Amino acid sequence: KAGVTQTPRYLIKTRGQQVTLSCSPISGHRSVSWYQQTPGQGLQFLFEYFSETQRNKGNFPGRFSGRQFSNSRSEMNVSTLELGDSALYLCASSLVAGAGDTQYFGPGTRLTVL
Amino acid sequence: AQSVTQLDSQVPVFEEAPVELRCNYSSSVSVYLFWYVQYPNQGLQLLLKYLSGSTLVKGINGFEAEFNKSQTSFHLRKPSVHISDTAEYFCAVSHSSASKIIFGSGTRLSIRP
Repeated sequence: KAGVTQTPRYLIKTRGQQVTLSCSPISGHRSVSWYQQTPGQGLQFLFEYFSETQRNKGNFPGRFSGRQFSNSRSEMNVSTLELGDSALYLCASSLVAGAGDTQYFGPGTRLTVL
Repeated sequence: AQSVTQLDSQVPVFEEAPVELRCNYSSSVSVYLFWYVQYPNQGLQLLLKYLSGSTLVKGINGFEAEFNKSQTSFHLRKPSVHISDTAEYFCAVSHSSASKIIFGSGTRLSIRP
């Protein structure tokens, strides 16, 4: 079974631009979560989607948004990029959005904001 | 609210030596506990998880962890490490009724030959 895929793997943007990252979960998985990883703040939860509905949201500004499609693929969008948004963005999928469910992570998208 | 503390940011050990990576959590409710590993330029991979039952949990690659409720700890151990174990290790916690995971700050394990 193919793992979680994320595209693109690397992105370079400038301040003020917006960016869209994509995540394709493992086949049959219906839950997708997004995390931001930075050297200073570590791994922080962004949001979780299940059956096209956002179930949980972390403490990020409204510039960060996401959605999930009927095939469980998910996208996250960051508008008006700031230098501090430079990070590795990780997507994880699980069968359902249940506590204790194993989350399988993709390789991440490394975003650099100049 | 839950939180996770990984007491060591870096742990250097010699190859074939035992290792313990420490993790403490705080929560006022029942939790699930996880250890993930991240190899350079890769995503995270689940090593093991504790949901309930036996407090000694065995995972992949020869790792195990022990859940200690009274000390609110979930330390990760391996009796003999290999160069290929060089990676960053993250302890994580989730509420037993929610899937959101809170990660610790990570411990970088470096293996010396």
